[in-house]
Amino acid sequence: DAGVTQSPTHLIKTRGQHVTLRCSPISGHKSVSWYQQVLGQGPQFIFQYYEKEERGRGNFPDRFSARQFPNYSSELNVNALLLGDSALYLCASSSPDRGSGNTIYFGEGSWLTVV
Amino acid sequence: AQSVAQPEDQVNVAEGNPLTVKCTYSVSGNPYLFWYVQYPNRGLQFLLKYITGDNLVKGSYGFEAEFNKSQTSFHLKKPSALVSDSALYFCAVRDMWGTSGTYKYIFGTGTRLKVLA
Repeated sequence: DAGVTQSPTHLIKTRGQHVTLRCSPISGHKSVSWYQQVLGQGPQFIFQYYEKEERGRGNFPDRFSARQFPNYSSELNVNALLLGDSALYLCASSSPDRGSGNTIYFGEGSWLTVV
Repeated sequence: AQSVAQPEDQVNVAEGNPLTVKCTYSVSGNPYLFWYVQYPNRGLQFLLKYITGDNLVKGSYGFEAEFNKSQTSFHLKKPSALVSDSALYFCAVRDMWGTSGTYKYIFGTGTRLKVLA
């Protein structure tokens, strides 16, 4: 089975631009989460979506938004990019089985560089 | 608030020797604890988790972790290190809130493991 897939893998944007990152979860997984990993740090929670609804949001500005589609894939959008948005953006999916402890499985990430 | 701490930025170990990567946690309620590994320029790979049950948890690639409630620790271990184990290791705790099952993972700062040939 395919794991979590993300696109694009690398991209370079200019300050003030907008970016859309895409994620397809593991088949059968209905929950998708987004994390930001700045170089040298651990991942930080941005959003959780379940059954197309936003269930949780981390401490990120309103420039960050996301959505989940009927096929459970997801998009992360960031507007008005700042240099500090340069990071690895990780998508993770998890099984609806609570007995699994909601283990999340990550994709390879999208490397965003803002210049 | 839930949190985890990884007190060592880097751990060096000789190939063939046992390795330990340390993690301590602070949670309210029962902890759900996880270890992930990140190779250069890659995403995070799940290694193992503790939810309940045996304090010694076995995971992928020969790794195991020991849950110690009295010391609030969840150290990652491997009996014999390989050069290929060299990577960045993250400890995480699941933080759940509300009535609709909202959760997030809170990660430590990571420990870089270097296994020397």
